Amino acid sequence: EPEVTQTPSHQVTQMGQEVILRCVPISNHLYFYWYRQILGQKVEFLVSFYNNEISEKSEIFDDQFSVERPDGSNFTLKIRSTKLEDSAMYFCASSAVRGNYGYTFGSGTRLTVV
Amino acid sequence: AQSVSQHNHHVILSEAASLELGCNYSYGGTVNLFWYVQYPGQHLQLLLKYFSGDPLVKGIKGFEAEFIKSKFSFNLRKPSVQWSDTAEYFCAVNGKGGGNKLTFGTGTQLKVEL
Repeated sequence: EPEVTQTPSHQVTQMGQEVILRCVPISNHLYFYWYRQILGQKVEFLVSFYNNEISEKSEIFDDQFSVERPDGSNFTLKIRSTKLEDSAMYFCASSAVRGNYGYTFGSGTRLTVV
Repeated sequence: AQSVSQHNHHVILSEAASLELGCNYSYGGTVNLFWYVQYPGQHLQLLLKYFSGDPLVKGIKGFEAEFIKSKFSFNLRKPSVQWSDTAEYFCAVNGKGGGNKLTFGTGTQLKVEL
């Protein structure tokens, strides 16, 4: 079964540093998403991406965050200057059509900001 | 805005017991509803989904859920749980007209004891 692959599985970074979380969506999927889950809290939507642009973003997704699909296969989430409160599990997801039909999620990247 | 409530945060059952996990949503229009499962150390996996039609939806691994529109509910059930069902279960909603993001509940941690 096709998978969404995320790397790294765990990243530790110092506060103020930039991090890039990487995702390889399923190859024929067109819609891409990032979600995050702070420990003990609910999974929260960050951003959706389609046709090389952001289609929707939450209020969490401020100017410190950016996404891009640099080479047609990878889908990256960049946090420019990490804060302690950015520590969370970040999930990438993709879908063939608009997400109404259910996404395929990656296994997540645990980001720890120290 | 769409929201989801899962009232059971931790559930402990013995093998062969019946399971029902509650999920209530809030949204003024038509919705698509989902249950996801997250086994320890793994990614979110789709258990089942409801878009329209028969309100009783059957999913993988013997799970089912019933959409009761009048109660804004989408409870997950399984007649006889197994130890391997130990996982965290998330209810999610996508409101038609609410973009293509999923809004998740806080999750229910299920532990099945032998």
